[in-house]
Amino acid sequence: NAGVMQNPRHLVRRRGQEARLRCSPMKGHSHVYWYRQLPEEGLKFMVYLQKENIIDESGMPKERFSAEFPKEGPSILRIQQVVRGDSAAYFCASSPPTRYTEAFFGQGTRLTVV
Amino acid sequence: AQTVTQSQPEMSVQEAETVTLSCTYDTSESDYYLFWYKQPPSRQMILVIRQEAYKQQNATENRFSVNFQKAAKSFSLKISDSQLGDAAMYFCAYRSSILTGGGNKLTFGTGTQLKVEL
Repeated sequence: NAGVMQNPRHLVRRRGQEARLRCSPMKGHSHVYWYRQLPEEGLKFMVYLQKENIIDESGMPKERFSAEFPKEGPSILRIQQVVRGDSAAYFCASSPPTRYTEAFFGQGTRLTVV
Repeated sequence: AQTVTQSQPEMSVQEAETVTLSCTYDTSESDYYLFWYKQPPSRQMILVIRQEAYKQQNATENRFSVNFQKAAKSFSLKISDSQLGDAAMYFCAYRSSILTGGGNKLTFGTGTQLKVEL
């Protein structure tokens, strides 16, 4: 059973470009969470999605950031018009729809904006 | 909103010795979960140990154990017989009860970098 897969592992974008980060949850997991880790900091929650629904986006910046988790395919975190401050590691975690299991993390995508 | 505080940015331990990492949290909830995650240089987040707030017994996983003090809102991690492979960043994390509808949304502390010396 493959773990949570994130790609790419490393992404370099110039200022003003778009970044698309992908997350394929573990098999049977229908809940996805995105976190951002700035250098020398802990992970900060961004958004919680279930298939085709955004459940909690309280940690998402109001502009330029969006996330989706379609019925088919991976979850996508999209950052438009990237700025240097977006440089960070972005982690995805997934969990099944049961009460007492924990979330499993992918290895993250390191985004560098130049 | 819940907060998690790790006041030790760095800790060092000699191989085979014991080290304790501190974590405090703030919440008005009575039912919640606490976690310790390990992040080695590979960046992979690895679950070390989990504690349910309704359980008075402290969780243990091999060389890892916690000291959970609910009234004091304290959740420290003890690593016994430290090994070189334990060197990593350790994060304390909080999760509300599933019943709040937040799923597995986690609130993390800022981390403690653990160095293991020969």
